[in-house]
Order: sequence, then structure tokens, then C-alpha cells
Amino acid sequence: DAGVTQSPTHLIKTRGQQVTLRCSPKSGHDTVSWYQQALGQGPQFIFQYYEEEERQRGNFPDRFSGHQFPNYSSELNVNALLLGDSALYLCASSAGQINQPQHFGDGTRLSIL
Amino acid sequence: RKEVEQDPGPFNVPEGATVAFNCTYSNSASQSFFWYRQDCRKEPKLLMSVYSSGNEDGRFTAQLNRASQYISLLIRDSKLSDSATYLCAGIGDYGQNFVFGPGTRLSVLP
Repeated sequence: DAGVTQSPTHLIKTRGQQVTLRCSPKSGHDTVSWYQQALGQGPQFIFQYYEEEERQRGNFPDRFSGHQFPNYSSELNVNALLLGDSALYLCASSAGQINQPQHFGDGTRLSIL
Repeated sequence: RKEVEQDPGPFNVPEGATVAFNCTYSNSASQSFFWYRQDCRKEPKLLMSVYSSGNEDGRFTAQLNRASQYISLLIRDSKLSDSATYLCAGIGDYGQNFVFGPGTRLSVLP
């Protein structure tokens, strides 16, 4: 039973570029949430996808966008990268209802030069 | 006030000690809370879910105090392998997403 998988593991980009991160949820899960975690801080909620729609969004600019596919996998896109976007990007999946625990993938470590 | 707050620590304790962390939350309507463990440069792993007054799993006990709006995590007989950052999560003020605290760092010393 595969858990949450994310790709790529590491990524190096330069300012102004665009990046796409990918996530496959745990089997049986239909909800995907994305988080940004800077060093020494807790994960910050970016947005959540359910039934291919953005259900909730955190305090992130429009440069951050996403998508969920019919198989529940998801992508996070970030445009016009800034140095401050360097962080660990975590995908978490859960089963539908908001009070269910979320299970995290290994994350994508994004470095902006 | 932040939605979820934690004492950042670090907590340095000897092996075998009992240690407790507190986490306060602002959403009085929140019904669900979670403790996660995160090792350095790894993803958070679910440690315990707390839906009612508390939960216990081996050496770990979580308690929920709704009147004071905090949850605690108690670790008994600390092991070296318990060294990690412990993240508290609850449902945000708008009731749709998880909000994580900044984490409490624990170091168990030999």
C-alpha cells in the first residue's frame, strides 16, 4: 500500500523561473493539501484540493496555483520564483472529511538561487 | 493571536525522563487535533489523533483541555530515539484546513 509520493525530491531554480511539483495521494485518499515549510518553522498551509477543485486557500499569492486530477493526484505550480520561495514543499493526503488526519509525503526541497 | 502556538523549546531531557509539551489553539469550535513528529529534514509523521478528551498510545499520552483551549503531549520514559520536533495541528479558524504550530524541539540526552 503506497503512501504519499512526491516528485521531484530536490529542485534548484533561479529567480523568475517557474516550477511544478507533483504528488500522488495515499491509496484511498481523495483530498490533497499542500504546505510550505521554511527552516525552523511549522508547515504553512497553501491550499487544499478535493474533487478537482480548490476547497480552501491559505495566505499565499496567486503565483502559487494548483490542480487536482481525476485520479486524485495533484500538482503545485509556482510562477516568478523568489528567493523566499526556497523551502520544503509538503503534500499531505487525507480521506475527505476535514477532521481526518493528514499523511505527508517526503516533500520536495526547492532551492532558489 | 496565532491560531496554534507551541513552546519552541528546545527541551533537553535525560533518557528515562518524562516530558510534556503544550499547544494552545484559538478556534474554540475545533474538534480535532493532531500531534506529529518530524525528524530533521524529513516529513512530519502522524503520532496521535485527539478527538475527545485525550488519547494514549504506549509511552505517549495526549490530553485535551477545551476550557483552556490547549492540548498537551506527555512522553514517559524518554528514549534517545524520541529526539525530534513535535508539531501540534488543529483545524483553522475558518474550519477548513489544518494549522500547524511552529513545533517543539526535543533532545533526549544519554
